[in-house]
Amino acid sequence: KQEVTQIPAALSVPEGENLVLNCSFTDSAIYNLQWFRQDPGKGLTSLLLIQSSQREQTSGRLNASLDKSSGRSTLYIAASQPGDSATYLCAAETGANNLFFGTGTRLTVIP
Amino acid sequence: KAGVTQTPRYLIKTRGQQVTLSCSPISGHRSVSWYQQTPGQGLQFLFEYFSETQRNKGNFPGRFSGRQFSNSRSEMNVSTLELGDSALYLCASSLAKGWHEKLFFGSGTQLSVL
Repeated sequence: KQEVTQIPAALSVPEGENLVLNCSFTDSAIYNLQWFRQDPGKGLTSLLLIQSSQREQTSGRLNASLDKSSGRSTLYIAASQPGDSATYLCAAETGANNLFFGTGTRLTVIP
Repeated sequence: KAGVTQTPRYLIKTRGQQVTLSCSPISGHRSVSWYQQTPGQGLQFLFEYFSETQRNKGNFPGRFSGRQFSNSRSEMNVSTLELGDSALYLCASSLAKGWHEKLFFGSGTQLSVL
């Protein structure tokens, strides 16, 4: 069974700092790897989706990389802002929207 | 463009009862997936529907069931509720031209079982 782990569980940084969130998965047979953010009491917002054949995806200040062979993905956030404060979740898809989620990293950006 | 709509937003039930949750996907989206989120287990996949057919199912007991209608709206039902069913239930929709697309999530239904 696919297991997805995220480190660290929580992270607190001052505004403007660059940061990296880590995600690891045990089974490399994935279709894609997705990163989401979740604000308290709300659903998930898709940030980036990396197909299994891709190495990275970028959107604005966000960059996600994927290394299937080592079972790792990272989410890089540049020039962090207080509005980036949220829980970030990664998920490995094994088919038909069957996503295995990590436990998330709770990010706090301090003004 | 309206997002994914889930109703009701909150529900309180007692053990042994059954409950039905509703999800209206984004217009044009044909795939609807359901997920359970709890503090202990995190987010877990329940099932996915496409064109009224269940294509995939997670590892949940048969008390959890769902269906999709011809307009792509979906419902999930939990029978004989247990305390451990207390959770945030999220649905997500996608175009499903292929399988591997961004998912758009609703705000969820918070179910409390007393």
